[in-house]
Amino acid sequence: DIVMTQSPDSLAVSLGERATINCKSSQPVLYSPNNKDRITWYQKKPGQPPKVLIYWASKRESGVPDRFSGSGSGTDFTLTISSLQAEDVAVYYCHQYYSSPYTFGQGTKVEIK
Amino acid sequence: EVVLVESGGGSVQPGGSLRLSCAASGFTFSNYWIHWVRQVPGKGLVWVAYINNDGSGATYADSVKGRFTVSRDNAKNTVFLQMNSLRADDTAVYYCARSTDYLDLWGQGNVVTVSS
Repeated sequence: DIVMTQSPDSLAVSLGERATINCKSSQPVLYSPNNKDRITWYQKKPGQPPKVLIYWASKRESGVPDRFSGSGSGTDFTLTISSLQAEDVAVYYCHQYYSSPYTFGQGTKVEIK
Repeated sequence: EVVLVESGGGSVQPGGSLRLSCAASGFTFSNYWIHWVRQVPGKGLVWVAYINNDGSGATYADSVKGRFTVSRDNAKNTVFLQMNSLRADDTAVYYCARSTDYLDLWGQGNVVTVSS
């Protein structure tokens, strides 16, 4: 099984400041047909289903603010919130959709400092 | 509107059974794989199972293998999760989700509580 490890488990950032979440996969998740990494980032708020932010490691989902960006390759991936807003308080998960079981990271809780 | 709606959750005693349903509308259901993901209260997201678009194949997490079964009725645009031999650690919110290149559309979630 591919193990997804996020860091940190939680972070507190001032409004308008940058938040960076890391995700490491235990093996590469490169999808050969298009040479892209099969990593998705989700935002999860209580009582709501997960919301897609980023897919293929770096492609922003339609309607997602451009302060959210994804980067990385190989086994190391990053979600960056460039200027934290109050509505960004949530838990963020990375997810590999490369091989079954399609595992999630443990989650990173983002709060306002 | 493109939507997935879960139903069938509730409370059950350990060892009991429940069947969850996930009804789709607004898209060509038979073109998509459907997944089940759960979240124990206060914990993270855990992938549970998927079924392919024509129902000929399904895969399960080790924690539910042999106890849970996924099936689908493409004529009724519905996927089912049959959960047998339920345990306390199956207590969670269960989400169904559609996949394309990623899990792009999620239902609102359905609470399953296993308790004596």
